[in-house]
Amino acid sequence: DSGVTQTPKHLITATGQRVTLRCSPRSGDLSVYWYQQSLDQGLQFLIQYYNGEERAKGNILERFSAQQFPDLHSELNLSSLELGDSALYFCASSYFWQGGTDTQYFGPGTRLTVL
Amino acid sequence: ELKVEQNPLFLSMQEGKNYTIYCNYSTTSDRLYWYRQDPGKSLESLFVLLSNGAVKQEGRLMASLDTKARLSTLHITAAVHDLSATYFCAVEVAGNMLTFGGGTRLMVKP
Repeated sequence: DSGVTQTPKHLITATGQRVTLRCSPRSGDLSVYWYQQSLDQGLQFLIQYYNGEERAKGNILERFSAQQFPDLHSELNLSSLELGDSALYFCASSYFWQGGTDTQYFGPGTRLTVL
Repeated sequence: ELKVEQNPLFLSMQEGKNYTIYCNYSTTSDRLYWYRQDPGKSLESLFVLLSNGAVKQEGRLMASLDTKARLSTLHITAAVHDLSATYFCAVEVAGNMLTFGGGTRLMVKP
């Protein structure tokens, strides 16, 4: 158990809908990262937050957005869902956002299925 | 754009044998990570390699980093069934963002 929690574990929804994925980082970690894992794209970095502020953006679609709240939990919002958005979404956390021997610890993931 | 390539993508090996997984990356980075993923599960951190020539070992796994060649290896010694999983290397770029390789699916047969 990495100490990173994600809810829900599974989510099934229809095309065009909007969902919110939630992540709580390890105690003391200030950075949260979101990744998408799919068969065709592999593991891709989406976005990073550090202490409430966006720090880095990867291959995140405009239909997707995220935020980190004062208690450091984070939410990833996916809207206008398409079949191709079906994937495993991971949240990871670390203490520092830059430098050091700062390993990212991954949560159990949320499996999103868009029908 | 940073590219991270692993090979092989799939590896079937007998218990007791040795093998090496390779991770090549396209731009300069001094930090490389290895993760393990069991089917349907999360990613478990195995090693963090921080500098050229770094070598780390845990049990039957040993990882090394050659930043000049932009190459990391994960060596498996005397494989056992419990090592069956998918192994990912990931290279750190600015802001602690990780770029992952495609993964190597390892199957160890008795």
